[in-house]
Parts: sequence; structure tokens; C-alpha cells
Amino acid sequence: AQSVAQPEDQVNVAEGNPLTVKCTYSVSGNPYLFWYVQYPNRGLQFLLKYITGDNLVKGSYGFEAEFNKSQTSFHLKKPSALVSDSALYFCAYQFSNTGKLIFGQGTTLQVKP
Amino acid sequence: DAEITQSPRHKITETGRQVTLACHQTWNHNNMFWYRQDLGHGLRLIHYSYGVHDTNKGEVSDGYSVSRSNTEDLPLTLESAASSQTSVYFCASSEHGTTRYEQYFGPGTRLTVT
Repeated sequence: AQSVAQPEDQVNVAEGNPLTVKCTYSVSGNPYLFWYVQYPNRGLQFLLKYITGDNLVKGSYGFEAEFNKSQTSFHLKKPSALVSDSALYFCAYQFSNTGKLIFGQGTTLQVKP
Repeated sequence: DAEITQSPRHKITETGRQVTLACHQTWNHNNMFWYRQDLGHGLRLIHYSYGVHDTNKGEVSDGYSVSRSNTEDLPLTLESAASSQTSVYFCASSEHGTTRYEQYFGPGTRLTVT
């Protein structure tokens, strides 16, 4: 069955340091992968997506993600974290035939000053 | 600006009552989705629609129903509310075509069933 895993419930980084939020997937065929962010008491906001092409995808707010087919990973990264990046991050896989999304369980990112 | 809204934002109801959560989008998107968010489960798909009069079951559809009479609205009905349906509910929409397009999410409805 198709699945998405985010192995870390929480990631803590200091402001100014690089951050990585991990995502791995188990799907058949070519994956369509997404990252969303959720701020407290808000809906999810789209950050970036990988459909095809370059393995390094750039998105909103300085975030980027690297698609690695051999490791079945799609880790979210940012070179220099901000306190305002603190939020809940979701990785998601999109079914190519229906457009439905399967979400990982989410990772809370805490950036400390 | 186009947007997607949900109402009410908070709702408390009793076990056994019928509850309807509203979702309205002005993106003119054909695709609409309902999810529930629970700790430890991320978001799980309840129902979705690709257009007027089209509805489909998601992975956790038992006890829920939807109907699509126009492009803008996809109300979610809990036929007989149960305590297990206490959750935060999100509506989302996306462009026509099944894949490649990101979904736009509403602000959510926090439902408590007592």
C-alpha cells in the first residue's frame, strides 16, 4: 500500500542554523510529492511540490526539498531557520489517477532564538 | 481575492445529533475534499468530489456524507454524531484535473461531540 512516513515527531533547531525535516515514501510508479505547513489554528498552506524534472525543488519562504529516488525520500530543507518557521509540517503523496493525497503524520518544527 | 471558508469554526454537539459543516470556495475549482485531523494520524480523507453531483468515499467515510449541488459548496454531514468524530475538519479544493495541482485548505472546523 502507498504510504508516507515522517520519522521525527519533532525537530528542534537554533535560529540561523540549517534545518531538515525528513520524509520517506513507499509508492508504486512515479511519485507526486508535496510539502505543506500548518501554523497554529490555521489550515494547511502549500510549500512546494515535486512532479518531475529537477530533483531539487524550491518553494515558498526559502524552503527547498530534495527528491531522492534511490532512497525514496523527499526531505524538506532550509539553509537558515527563522523563529517564524516554527510550525507543523506535512509531507504528502498524490495518487496519479485520482489526485487524492496521503499525508504523513506531521513533524513539529521548533526554532529557538 | 479567491478563498475557501468553513463554518462554523467551532461546534459542540451531542451524541446522536445530525451535524452539517459548511465549506465554500470562490476559486471555481472542480475538485473539493474533506479531511479530518487527529493527533498521531495526520490528515485523513473523508470524502471528495470532482464536480457537481459527483461524490466519492475516502479512507474514513463511515458516518459521514456529502453532496455537491454546485461548484462552490461541499457540505459535510455527520448523520448521527459519535464521540469518535470529535476532531478538526478541513475542507480543501484544487484545480480541474486529478493530479499535479496543490490543494488549497480552509481554516478548519473544530467539532466536539459530547
